[in-house]
Amino acid sequence: GQNIDQPTEMTATEGAIVQINCTYQTSGFNGLFWYQQHAGEAPTFLSYNVLDGLEEKGRFSSFLSRSKGYSYLLLKELQMKDSASYLCAVRDYGGSQGNLIFGKGTKLSVKP
Amino acid sequence: SAVISQKPSRDICQRGTSLTIQCQVDSQVTMMFWYRQQPGQSLTLIATANQGSEATYESGFVIDKFPISRPNLTFSTLTVSNMSPEDSSIYLCSGRTGGKNEQFFGPGTRLTVL
Repeated sequence: GQNIDQPTEMTATEGAIVQINCTYQTSGFNGLFWYQQHAGEAPTFLSYNVLDGLEEKGRFSSFLSRSKGYSYLLLKELQMKDSASYLCAVRDYGGSQGNLIFGKGTKLSVKP
Repeated sequence: SAVISQKPSRDICQRGTSLTIQCQVDSQVTMMFWYRQQPGQSLTLIATANQGSEATYESGFVIDKFPISRPNLTFSTLTVSNMSPEDSSIYLCSGRTGGKNEQFFGPGTRLTVL
């Protein structure tokens, strides 16, 4: 079966660092994505990992371990505008045309 | 990345009626998808909209309930037929260009069925 797990909610302080974890079990794997979604808005693309390791993009970094079925999104120097839901998604080529399978999202609240 | 617009942005409908949601992309995309996001839930793929042919539906979704059209590479429609309160959800259109990893989303259509 397909399963993607991530924490439901997290709280962090402005200026701090927060790590949002994601574990997955899917029938196929062709990349892991992180999206940011503000309330009432469309998800926006943050990062893509297909090989093991860390990908850094400004204040955001994403890590992948395929052997462990594990990824995390690291947000540094948190800002109030980072309060949003963060969605972990896996592209599964297991007979599904490379569709994205999403976790339920982690709602991050950044406090002053 | 491409910009996707959806119409309507929201609607309140009566049970038993149908609603058609339009999705317009500002550039040609290889693949278009329709997702549903129920309150507090993840995005669930309804179907892949194929240009000039029938959409490919995921398990649990059928063409009679969610007919989809895609007449060209920039436009698609999703109809939610014979609606019930259980269809209340946000419906999102998504697009991806072949050979590129990013998959982008429209702003969603918030549907409430009374």
